[in-house]
Amino acid sequence: DAKTTQPNSMESNEEEPVHLPCNHSTISGTDYIHWYRQLPSQGPEYVIHGLTSNVNNRMASLAIAEDRKSSTLILHRATLRDAAVYYCILKFSGNTPLVFGKGTRLSVIA
Amino acid sequence: NAGVTQTPKFQVLKTGQSMTLQCAQDMNHNSMYWYRQDPGMGLRLIYYSASEGTTDKGEVPNGYNVSRLNKREFSLRLESAAPSQTSVYFCASSEISRNTEAFFGQGTRLTVV
Repeated sequence: DAKTTQPNSMESNEEEPVHLPCNHSTISGTDYIHWYRQLPSQGPEYVIHGLTSNVNNRMASLAIAEDRKSSTLILHRATLRDAAVYYCILKFSGNTPLVFGKGTRLSVIA
Repeated sequence: NAGVTQTPKFQVLKTGQSMTLQCAQDMNHNSMYWYRQDPGMGLRLIYYSASEGTTDKGEVPNGYNVSRLNKREFSLRLESAAPSQTSVYFCASSEISRNTEAFFGQGTRLTVV
């Protein structure tokens, strides 16, 4: 499995944008980039995914580098409810499971 | 729409006891998964079922067995519980695709004493 590298932790002020980086230098051409987050005492929840182009949804934006070796999850206005562990995961095959790393713990300060 | 439902939510077992964790999904997904999460760690895959009738080992399968009962249900059995199996267990389901999301249950918090 291609690996991802994320910072262990990040901190943000409430109502400011947050950029969560992920490096995946060994990504292959068919790997999708998925982001999940895990709120305290809950199961992971899907945030966003993409292949080559930048993606937006109601929760976040995903910016993918042109060479696809890195990506950035963007939360446009962080709220206290966004405090969670964020996982960047590569999915290379339809029937293989998600493989979780340690993710980035995001703290949001009021 | 319930999504992925796990039962029970909490369980305390004595060492050597057995139990089955139940998981059911109502999204007609082909693939289902069992993960465990120890304190301060990411999720580790125990077993998964890519489609009905198939199961495969994940990263940490020792001490566990699984049954894909039908398309909706995927159970995880601990035959002889050990303190090292104290963890939070998550079930998930998804379609067979690189381009779709997985849905997770709320977890079962298991303590083995």
